[in-house]
Amino acid sequence: EDQVTQSPEALRLQEGESSSLNCSYTVSGLRGLFWYRQDPGKGPEFLFTLYSAGEEKEKERLKATLTKKESFLHITAPKPEDSATYLCAVQFAYSGAGSYQLTFGKGTKLSVIP
Amino acid sequence: NAGVMQNPRHLVRRRGQEARLRCSPMKGHSHVYWYRQLPEEGLKFMVYLQKENIIDESGMPKERFSAEFPKEGPSILRIQQVVRGDSAAYFCASSPTQGNTGNTIYFGEGSWLTVV
Repeated sequence: EDQVTQSPEALRLQEGESSSLNCSYTVSGLRGLFWYRQDPGKGPEFLFTLYSAGEEKEKERLKATLTKKESFLHITAPKPEDSATYLCAVQFAYSGAGSYQLTFGKGTKLSVIP
Repeated sequence: NAGVMQNPRHLVRRRGQEARLRCSPMKGHSHVYWYRQLPEEGLKFMVYLQKENIIDESGMPKERFSAEFPKEGPSILRIQQVVRGDSAAYFCASSPTQGNTGNTIYFGEGSWLTVV
């Protein structure tokens, strides 16, 4: 069964302390990998889409990278407002039923302390 | 704000009642998805719809749950005879193109269902 695993489950950083979040997946064919940010009581907010190994996307303090088995979300010099749960989702290259769904990891809860 | 609109944001139902959750997709989007987030669990796919068609309902529970996306009006997720285990956040999402192309889907703010 194809799965998506995120680590760590929770991460506590001092303001300015850079780090990385990991998303690994068992693969039977990848159609796309997505990163979202979710604040408490809110819906997932889209950050990045990655399609092929070696691809990188960047936005402000965030940078997402993709290999054949995993993706990293690098956070450079984080600020308290970056505190949120970061979700990774994969669309696997099935055909037929199931090909439309995103499979989500359980997320990494990031806390940035001033 | 032309984002995905969901209502109600919060809904309380007694066991055995019906819950109806509504979703209007982003402007220009004709593909709608419903996901459920149970406490301490990740988001789980439920159903994918286009106007007047259910394309993929492989994630829907076999009983009590149904979804529609009529020609006019919002998409509706209907839960009949709710039980405590249905308490969760239900998220609607939409995309401009067919759902298995790897294109981004955008989520609404969710509807939080509490069954008492």
